[in-house]
Order: sequence, then C-alpha cells, then structure tokens
Amino acid sequence: ILNVEQSPQSLHVQEGDSTNFTCSFPSSNFYALHWYRWETAKSPEALFVMTLNGDEKKKGRISATLNTKEGYSYLYIKGSQPEDSATYLCAFRPNAGNMLTFGGGTRLMVKP
Amino acid sequence: DAGVIQSPRHEVTEMGQEVTLRCKPISGHDYLFWYRQTMMRGLELLIYFNNNVPIDDSGMPEDRFSAKMPNASFSTLKIQPSEPRDSAVYFCASSFGGAYRYGYTFGSGTRLTVV
Repeated sequence: ILNVEQSPQSLHVQEGDSTNFTCSFPSSNFYALHWYRWETAKSPEALFVMTLNGDEKKKGRISATLNTKEGYSYLYIKGSQPEDSATYLCAFRPNAGNMLTFGGGTRLMVKP
Repeated sequence: DAGVIQSPRHEVTEMGQEVTLRCKPISGHDYLFWYRQTMMRGLELLIYFNNNVPIDDSGMPEDRFSAKMPNASFSTLKIQPSEPRDSAVYFCASSFGGAYRYGYTFGSGTRLTVV
C-alpha cells in the first residue's frame, strides 16, 4: 500500500490570504505527482502533472513545487478568493502501472 | 467532447439487489479507471483498463464486484449482491497514454445508496 499523506486536512483562511499545503509520497519508484481541485458536488479536475525533481508549475494564482528526493510537493495559492474553496488532492504515480494513489485531500475554505 | 459520462447520477437500491454503473470515457482515451470515494478511505482505485483490457483489479473489494469494458466507449461496474457497506460515490475516469500532461478526466460520479 502506497502512503500518500496530505496536510493539513482542512484550512480556513480569509479572502486575500496566501496559503500553502503539503503532499508527501514515497520517494522511491517515483514517476509522477498529480494535483487535482475538487469542488463540492463536482468531480476532481486536474491542476498539474509534475514529473521532474525541482519542477515548478503555475496556473494563475496557484502554483506547485516538487521534491522527489525527499518525497514532498507543496501547493501554493496566492491571494485566496472564495471561489478557491475546494478540496485539493494530490496523487502519486509510481513507475509501474498507470494508476494513481490519492491522498486524503486538504479542504480549503476561504471566507469573504 | 462531452467529457466522461457516468450514469446514473444517483442510485438507491435495496440490499441484495444487483447494481450496474455505467461509464463512457472520452473518445480517444485508452485508459479507464473506476474509483470509489468514501469518508473513511477517500478515493480508492478499484480497477483500471488499458485498451479495454483489465490491467489491475487488486482494488476490487470482493467477488461481488465485477467490471467490464466491451469496447473503447463503454464500461460497466456491477455489484451483485449489493450490501449497505457498498454505499459510496463511484467515479469513472479516463486518460490518454500515461496522463503525462493532462492528468485524468473524471466523470460526475454515481452516488450509490444501498438500504
């Protein structure tokens, strides 16, 4: 069983705050790390797919970094807005097989 | 493309009945995945197919669960007989190749309630 952990489990911030959360995953047999955004009553949507150590990806106010040697990735949101409220999932893909193991998610709530 | 299409959106059934969940992946995607989401275990992979062939079904809970993909545009997940502990949201997802760039595309899910 692959251990993919996310912290914190939930986070409440004020509109305009910047925030970040962590995904930790096995550092061996790494192939890719995915980030998904999951709004209530919808389905998860892919944000980033990261494959190289030191990768940094950005989409608008959201960015992510990757450290495969130590097995962690950070997701940053700059100037949080209420519409950023969602659960953010990371998922680890090992070398063998095209299957993702998901972390438990970080639930972000942004208050106006 | 309309995305990954799942049906039904909601299913309520009595314990012991057979339940069939359906999925139409995105045209051209060669991988299809079935996930189950519960409060206790989060999103867990049940089975995945590559080019309609089941590759890994180690996540299928027990013999009551079966999945098929008769062609590139259709897959089913069947539970027979259903039990209350099967109540969950079941997601289907598809991807092209190794999902190197775009990740998985998920359907809207089927919320199953077994009473």
